[in-house]
Amino acid sequence: AQSVAQPEDQVNVAEGNPLTVKCTYSVSGNPYLFWYVQYPNRGLQFLLKYITGDNLVKGSYGFEAEFNKSQTSFHLKKPSALVSDSALYFCAVGDDAGNMLTFGGGTRLMVKP
Amino acid sequence: DAGITQSPRHKVTETGTPVTLRCHQTENHRYMYWYRQDPGHGLRLIHYSYGVKDTDKGEVSDGYSVSRSKTEDFLLTLESATSSQTSVYFCAIGYRESPGGYTFGSGTRLTVV
Repeated sequence: AQSVAQPEDQVNVAEGNPLTVKCTYSVSGNPYLFWYVQYPNRGLQFLLKYITGDNLVKGSYGFEAEFNKSQTSFHLKKPSALVSDSALYFCAVGDDAGNMLTFGGGTRLMVKP
Repeated sequence: DAGITQSPRHKVTETGTPVTLRCHQTENHRYMYWYRQDPGHGLRLIHYSYGVKDTDKGEVSDGYSVSRSKTEDFLLTLESATSSQTSVYFCAIGYRESPGGYTFGSGTRLTVV
């Protein structure tokens, strides 16, 4: 069975500072890893994904994530946070046995001016 | 979100009544999914479909049924609504290998009183 953990319910960061939102996963086989963002009263929007290739993945809005196989992590990062980055972020994982994605509990990112 | 619409957007219903939520897509995707979003639980898969009349259960399928008689429509039915089914329901379409992974609808907020 596949699972994903987002250990922080909320992350607070000042505008202009770097941000990290943590994600760890468990799958049997090769992982498919995703980050999605949700703004209030909206559906989830794709940010980036890792399937194969470079461990550092670049995505939308200046976000990036680093795949670390030994630590089974896929942390989301951004060098300089914006107030408009404030939202709910979800990490998701799938394995190579099917098309399903399992989502984490979400992390609320609050960027203060 | 372009290509996928959910209806209704909001619904209040009474305990014990049947409720049907509709997901409509114009992308001709084979795979469609129903998730529910609850605080602290993230998104949990209810049911999914991999083609017309082909459906399967997710991790929280008890109390829910689905039908897919056409490629474009995926219906979620609460046979007899309970307060524990108060939630935000999201439909998604697509494959993990798609450039953006899954595409999500805007959600249906269901309140069971």
